Amino acid sequence: QVQLVESGGGVVQPGRPLRLSCAASGFTFSDYPMHWVRQAPGKGLEWVALISSDGRNKLYADSVKGRFTISREISNNTLSLQMNNQRRDDTAVYYCARGHGGSRFDLWGQGALVTVSS
Amino acid sequence: AIQLTQSPSSLSASVGDRVTVSCRASQDIRNNVAWYQQKPGFPPRLLMYDASTPETGVPSRFSGSGSGPDFTLIISSLQPEDFGTYYCQQFNRFPLTFGGGTRVDIK
Repeated sequence: QVQLVESGGGVVQPGRPLRLSCAASGFTFSDYPMHWVRQAPGKGLEWVALISSDGRNKLYADSVKGRFTISREISNNTLSLQMNNQRRDDTAVYYCARGHGGSRFDLWGQGALVTVSS
Repeated sequence: AIQLTQSPSSLSASVGDRVTVSCRASQDIRNNVAWYQQKPGFPPRLLMYDASTPETGVPSRFSGSGSGPDFTLIISSLQPEDFGTYYCQQFNRFPLTFGGGTRVDIK
């Protein structure tokens, strides 16, 4: 079954780190660029980060640059997002998404809720 | 960053109505737009890419058009399952950006 499954969400104190994972299955993970997208409660969608299919190229939204790191492990088909120095406005559902053809996100995970609160 | 402005922000329509959602970019983005449908508690679902190419399995009542700064998603005959929020997204330049969303309710 072609799917993405996120894990690692939870409640974290401001300034503390948290790591999200996204397990890919049912497709050749190394063929696709991967993204993280987040959605604050009751708000719209915000693109967070991209990693290329070979893992060499990474891009970030200005709002997370220098604090978040995207990575991928081809051997176990896993995408990760290391979130450091978290702020309250990082509170959101975080989705991993598969990029396709540089023109769309054609597969999404179910989302992982991250709440930054003291 | 390229800004995408969607209109209206919300609408209520009856089953069978034709529904139009607009998306305007702050600069020319050619045809590099995708559309998504999101229902509460679920991730977005891809409907359309390259402005007018439907994703596999999307009902034919959904269509997309436009280029440059102005894009449109049309639902030709609204069905009960079409409720949700619709987002446009541009792929022309990083950072990738989304429109603010259009919430569609069924009367």
